[in-house]
Amino acid sequence: DQQVKQNSPSLSVQEGRISILNCDYTNSMFDYFLWYKKYPAEGPTFLISISSIKDKNEDGRFTVFLNKSAKHLSLHIVPSQPGDSAVYFCAASTFEIQGAQKLVFGQGTRLTINP
Amino acid sequence: ETGVTQSPTHLIKTRGQQVTLRCSSQSGHNTVSWYQQALGQGPQFIFQYYREEENGRGNFPPRFSGLQFPNYSSELNVNALELDDSALYLCASSPPGFSYEQYFGPGTRLTVT
Repeated sequence: DQQVKQNSPSLSVQEGRISILNCDYTNSMFDYFLWYKKYPAEGPTFLISISSIKDKNEDGRFTVFLNKSAKHLSLHIVPSQPGDSAVYFCAASTFEIQGAQKLVFGQGTRLTINP
Repeated sequence: ETGVTQSPTHLIKTRGQQVTLRCSSQSGHNTVSWYQQALGQGPQFIFQYYREEENGRGNFPPRFSGLQFPNYSSELNVNALELDDSALYLCASSPPGFSYEQYFGPGTRLTVT
């Protein structure tokens, strides 16, 4: 049961253009959504998050949009830079009965920025 | 500010053996979570520790166990290793009051032969 899905395994974008990464989820109880970037041989790096009560959050070149009715979120990177080439993971947070807040991850999208 | 650190970086074990992985949380963080990442997949939640107690567990058998120490560092222990346990093991720490905001270490690559 894949509760968080990233349907595009890869995306290629020209430097300077907008990169749009998409994520769909099924569980309406998720309370926060996060995006992580991962380089080879490193752990995921936190990029940006959004509460389930918001529909947009912006931090510099990164903007996350949340559409709760469609159970869809997206990450926009503007302008795209070569250093943005990495695997991007969408994650959703859910509060467990015992008190833990666990993250459920998508499978990742490999973003390649071409010069 | 020191981030999350993990040791060792790589480890090779034989099926049936036991392994201990270690994690030091980021300064000021009091919650530690462990994840398993298989090749080509997103990380899967193993468990979370807060105030030295396990307060949540994913779909992993009891041979996966952990500890959290008073300084908030943590260990992940896996007994009776199986070939499918080969993966990247990630530790993440969270600041007080924001346990959803998890900051990851570089991971330990475990290979079981």
